[in-house]
Amino acid sequence: SQQGEEDPQALSIQEGENATMNCSYKTSINNLQWYRQNSGRGLVHLILIRSNEREKHSGRLRVTLDTSKKSSSLLITASRAADTASYFCATDENSGYALNFGKGTSLLVTP
Amino acid sequence: GAGVSQSPSNKVTEKGKDVELRCDPISGHTALYWYRQSLGQGLEFLIYFQGNSAPDKSGLPSDRFSAERTGGSVSTLTIQRTQQEDSAVYLCASSWTSGSRDEQFFGPGTRLTVL
Repeated sequence: SQQGEEDPQALSIQEGENATMNCSYKTSINNLQWYRQNSGRGLVHLILIRSNEREKHSGRLRVTLDTSKKSSSLLITASRAADTASYFCATDENSGYALNFGKGTSLLVTP
Repeated sequence: GAGVSQSPSNKVTEKGKDVELRCDPISGHTALYWYRQSLGQGLEFLIYFQGNSAPDKSGLPSDRFSAERTGGSVSTLTIQRTQQEDSAVYLCASSWTSGSRDEQFFGPGTRLTVL
C-alpha cells in the first residue's frame, strides 16, 4: 500500500527558481528515499536520508527529515528545464525492504 | 556497467491471454523487486526476491500473478488470463542487499496494455 504522500501534486516554476516538495508518512521509518522519474518510465535514485539524520545535501538537492512531524522535504535549488520530472518519496514503513511510494509531485520547469 | 534491463518495453495483448515480463538485474545484486505503476499513480509493490530465500509475494494482487527468479539472477513475472485492469507499467528494480538502506536501481519498465 502507498504510504508516503507528496505535496503538492503538481508544481510549475521558471528556470532559476527553487522547487520545494514535501512528503508525509504515517508510521515509523528507518530510511526515506527520494527518486525522480522521467516520462513515466524508470526511476532514478536521488538521495537517501536515515531516520537519525535531519538534513542531507547532494549537489543542488537538499533533503530534510523531521521524524517528529513524520515529514520530509526535497529542495531543488536553481532549477533547470532538465529537472522537469515526477519526484517520489519512498519509505520503508511496515517493511524492512520493500519501499512504499507516494503518488509523486509532477514538476515542470519552464525556460 | 549495464543497468537493469527489462523486456519487452511494450506489450499489447488481448484480454484473457497470458503474458511474461522479463527482468535482468544488475550483476551481483542479491535483491530483486517488481512494482506496478498505473497511470498517474505511485508504485505498487508486487513481489520481492532475496538470494535463495522464498520470495515475499504479499503484494501480488491476485493468484493470476506469479514470478520466478532463476539462478538468483533473471526474473520473470507472469500474468495469466490478463484483464484490462492489469494495464500498467511494470517496473523491476534490484539492489546490492535487501533492506531499505540500499538504493534500488530501476529498469525502464514494461508498458502492458490489455485490450
